Amino acid sequence: QQPVQSPQAVILREGEDAVINCSSSKALYSVHWYRQKHGEAPVFLMILLKGGEQKGHDKISASFNEKKQQSSLYLTASQLSYSGTYFCGTESSPGYQKVTFGTGTKLQVIP
Amino acid sequence: DAGITQSPRYKITETGRQVTLMCHQTWSHSYMFWYRQDLGHGLRLIYYSAAADITDKGEVPDGYVVSRSKTENFPLTLESATRSQTSVYFCASSGGSGESYNEQFFGPGTRLTVL
Repeated sequence: QQPVQSPQAVILREGEDAVINCSSSKALYSVHWYRQKHGEAPVFLMILLKGGEQKGHDKISASFNEKKQQSSLYLTASQLSYSGTYFCGTESSPGYQKVTFGTGTKLQVIP
Repeated sequence: DAGITQSPRYKITETGRQVTLMCHQTWSHSYMFWYRQDLGHGLRLIYYSAAADITDKGEVPDGYVVSRSKTENFPLTLESATRSQTSVYFCASSGGSGESYNEQFFGPGTRLTVL
């Protein structure tokens, strides 16, 4: 079953912050985050392997609450280049790198 | 070319025809994947492979066949194309060394239209 992402879409002005949430009905081993710009392939942002782990990537960071089976992606001081669709992907067990992706959150940053 | 490539990039076919989408990676990654992307559904896994000659079904395998005789190639065949298989297809690979082990690298995609 696909993880649920919220919100489905968000519009930000440059410099504003955003949070994208990802929730699964299954116990999770890891959460992946990808960004896809229009007409392009998805690009890896980060993976969280341990419960409670937070990782950062420039001004984009993420947290993983293993008990709640949730992850959140934090975008601070957004830039125009952050526009795109963000996907979370979840793995329920290690071994095959089989990731189930959510339906995506479309983020648009405007001047 | 280094990386992961897909061919063709665009394909128009008719209902009932067999179509094969090619995927080639130069990193010798162990894992390879096929996804389809449709509006409102995100990326859905069709088939994946953990190594040459090891493949398994994903979420939406019906109507598709895969093979992996060589590590670098992972072709996807639509045995008898249907209109519902109109989609953008992405191939991906993972299993690199170090920190990139879990990172999936996606090909540029193939836009398939079934008339």
